[in-house]
Amino acid sequence: DAEITQSPRHKITETGRQVTLACHQTWNHNNMFWYRQDLGHGLRLIHYSYGVHDTNKGEVSDGYSVSRSNTEDLPLTLESAASSQTSVYFCASSESWDQPQHFGDGTRLSIL
Amino acid sequence: DQQVKQNSPSLSVQEGRISILNCDYTNSMFDYFLWYKKYPAEGPTFLISISSIKDKNEDGRFTVFLNKSAKHLSLHIVPSQPGDSAVYFCAAITGTASKLTFGTGTRLQVTL
Repeated sequence: DAEITQSPRHKITETGRQVTLACHQTWNHNNMFWYRQDLGHGLRLIHYSYGVHDTNKGEVSDGYSVSRSNTEDLPLTLESAASSQTSVYFCASSESWDQPQHFGDGTRLSIL
Repeated sequence: DQQVKQNSPSLSVQEGRISILNCDYTNSMFDYFLWYKKYPAEGPTFLISISSIKDKNEDGRFTVFLNKSAKHLSLHIVPSQPGDSAVYFCAAITGTASKLTFGTGTRLQVTL
């Protein structure tokens, strides 16, 4: 069965460090998305991609970057981790704009 | 600016009764609305959707109603079951932007 996997599931790191969260999907979807979930905010879009070599900023993109070198993967990088980036991060993919997004199980990131 | 709002953070319903979850939106350009269900430590999973050209969509125990003039949609779960206890997110998307905008979620608890 096709799936979307995130790794690691949990990570603790220190402020100032670079952190990369992995997202891998076997749906062969062109569209991929990264969200963060925080209490009182729901899920907020960080970055998204509509295909290889395409990346776009979402509503909370400051301090984050993504790259899309193939269809299956969209890694999310925190260039210099800040305590405000402590959150649960979800990756998602979809076939097209009017098809539901499929989500991974999330990465809980704590920045001390 | 919260374009999609879920004003009830929590809802408790007895097993067998109807659960009604509400969602309001401000952007009249939204083309498509979705409901996602989320269990702890898992990613959101797609539940049901509705196009802006319809006013009702039904799938088993789940029905979504859309009132465009009021910019309001609701999810009805009948009958409610203990396994329905989860956080429910309302989301909306425009065809031009192809990005989901989420509400803040409503935690549903179905009691015995």
